[in-house]
Amino acid sequence: GENVEQHPSTLSVQEGDSAVIKCTYSDSASNYFPWYKQELGKRPQLIIDIRSNVGEKKDQRIAVTLNKTAKHFSLHITETQPEDSAVYFCAAVGTGGFKTIFGAGTRLFVKA
Amino acid sequence: GAVVSQHPSWVICKSGTSVKIECRSLDFQATTMFWYRQFPKQSLMLMATSNEGSKATYEQGVEKDKFLINHASLTLSTLTVTSAHPEDSSFYICSATGPAGTGELFFGEGSRLTVL
Repeated sequence: GENVEQHPSTLSVQEGDSAVIKCTYSDSASNYFPWYKQELGKRPQLIIDIRSNVGEKKDQRIAVTLNKTAKHFSLHITETQPEDSAVYFCAAVGTGGFKTIFGAGTRLFVKA
Repeated sequence: GAVVSQHPSWVICKSGTSVKIECRSLDFQATTMFWYRQFPKQSLMLMATSNEGSKATYEQGVEKDKFLINHASLTLSTLTVTSAHPEDSSFYICSATGPAGTGELFFGEGSRLTVL
């Protein structure tokens, strides 16, 4: 079945440094790759996404890259701030039905 | 827009009883909703896809007789955990794709179930 692997499971960075989270997916039919941020005790919320016809997308301090050939996609956060501390989930969505499969999550700690 | 509300936010029940969790789309119609289960410090595991007016589609390994899903209207899906046991204790969270049809999921607040 469909599978999404995510690394690392935990990431600790100093405030101001960059953080990179990497994911791979198994279903070659996946065409939409969202990233969700879940703060403690809250619901996941979309922070950025990328579609299969695009290789890179940036939104202020956040960027996502996609390599469809290798089935890899990554989240890059620059100039990290303490409020970036949360759990980040990558996901892959196939065609039709919007069934979303999540990675295991990365717990990001940004130390002030 | 695209607000999803879930109720109750937490519930404690005795082993053997059934518990119903409601998921509502407040400002849009959701023909499809998704039910996830999240263990502490773990990922969101898709349990089933809830389709309005038809049977839910369950993921492999999820017991459909244990986790009953009903999607009777375009704004309401319910998950009933039947004959609950302590191992069913978990955080259950529903979601729906918004009206724009982009694929983005909008999540409910989640329901924490504790079975004694």
